[in-house]
Amino acid sequence: GENVEQHPSTLSVQEGDSAVIKCTYSDSASNYFPWYKQELGKRPQLIIDIRSNVGEKKDQRIAVTLNKTAKHFSLHITETQPEDSAVYFCAASTDSWGKLQFGAGTQVVVTP
Amino acid sequence: EAQVTQNPRYLITVTGKKLTVTCSQNMNHEYMSWYRQDPGLGLRQIYYSMNVEVTDKGDVPEGYKVSRKEKRNFPLILESPSPNQTSLYFCASSLSIRGTEAFFGQGTRLTVV
Repeated sequence: GENVEQHPSTLSVQEGDSAVIKCTYSDSASNYFPWYKQELGKRPQLIIDIRSNVGEKKDQRIAVTLNKTAKHFSLHITETQPEDSAVYFCAASTDSWGKLQFGAGTQVVVTP
Repeated sequence: EAQVTQNPRYLITVTGKKLTVTCSQNMNHEYMSWYRQDPGLGLRQIYYSMNVEVTDKGDVPEGYKVSRKEKRNFPLILESPSPNQTSLYFCASSLSIRGTEAFFGQGTRLTVV
């Protein structure tokens, strides 16, 4: 089955700097790669997703890149703000089995 | 308001006492699933359902049961809870299995003593 690895497990950045979280996946059939943000005590919520026919997607200060050959995808947060502090999860799935396989999560701390 | 509702939010129980965590969605979603969240392990899928009466095991199904008798409801049943099932549980629903956003419930913090 699919295996998703996520790095780093914790990331501390200064406000205004950029943050990058990387994930690798094992199943070459995976074609959907969402990112979820979970604030303390809250539920995970989708912040951005990308499909395998696209190499990059942006939404304001966040962007996701996908390298299908290397089987890795990354989340980029620019101009970080204190409200970006949260746990971020990457995930992968395929249309055929639909199961979302999550990474272990990255705790991002943005210090003022 | 579109939402996934779990109950209860918090539960402390004793080993072996059967319990049910309910999950209901009002978005007419086909796909529902249960996850448990443990520190350092992320979200691990317990069971999922692709439609009414169609359920299948996820990565960590041992000790759990589910049913999907109606499209909107997907309860999680622990027949004989054990301390290693102490965890934070999330129910989620998606429009379909084909790469769509998963909407999560508020979570249920379960402690088994």
